[in-house]
Amino acid sequence: GENVEQHPSTLSVQEGDSAVIKCTYSDSASNYFPWYKQELGKGPQLIIDIRSNVGEKKDQRIAVTLNKTAKHFSLHITETQPEDSAVYFCAALKNYGGSQGNLIFGKGTKLSVKP
Amino acid sequence: DAGVTQSPTHLIKTRGQQVTLRCSPKSGHDTVSWYQQALGQGPQFIFQYYEEEERQRGNFPDRFSGHQFPNYSSELNVNALLLGDSALYLCASSFRDNEQFFGPGTRLTVL
Repeated sequence: GENVEQHPSTLSVQEGDSAVIKCTYSDSASNYFPWYKQELGKGPQLIIDIRSNVGEKKDQRIAVTLNKTAKHFSLHITETQPEDSAVYFCAALKNYGGSQGNLIFGKGTKLSVKP
Repeated sequence: DAGVTQSPTHLIKTRGQQVTLRCSPKSGHDTVSWYQQALGQGPQFIFQYYEEEERQRGNFPDRFSGHQFPNYSSELNVNALLLGDSALYLCASSFRDNEQFFGPGTRLTVL
């Protein structure tokens, strides 16, 4: 089955710096890769996603890149702010012939942005 | 537009008891997935419901069961609770594509 590895497990940056979180997946049939932000005591919030037919996607300060050949995808946050501090999860999903698949999550990255 | 809602927020049970957790999907969504999140870990898929049927199931024992109602809301039932069932239980809803939106979760503590 699918396996998603996420690195680093913790990341500390200064406000204004960039942060990069990397994930690898094992199943080449996976075709959808979302990123979630989870704040303490809350459920995961979808912040950006990318599908396998796209190499890069950007939304303001957040961008995601996908390398299908290497089975890597990454989250890039620029101009970090203290409110970006949270745990970030990557995930991979494989559609089953038109029906929806289930998300396989990485173990998370705790991002701390210091003022 | 209300997002995904879950009840209760917190729950404390003892070993051997049974528990029912509830989820109302985001308006317009027809698919509900349940995940278990242990402390410090990523969510793990339990099962998914669509058209009132279990469509997919993760690696969880039969003690975990569910139901989806005609209004697309869903329940997760866990029988014969074990200490290891203590976790945050998350419900996610979606509609005919991959984007799954999560609720705030139910924190279950088994003593």
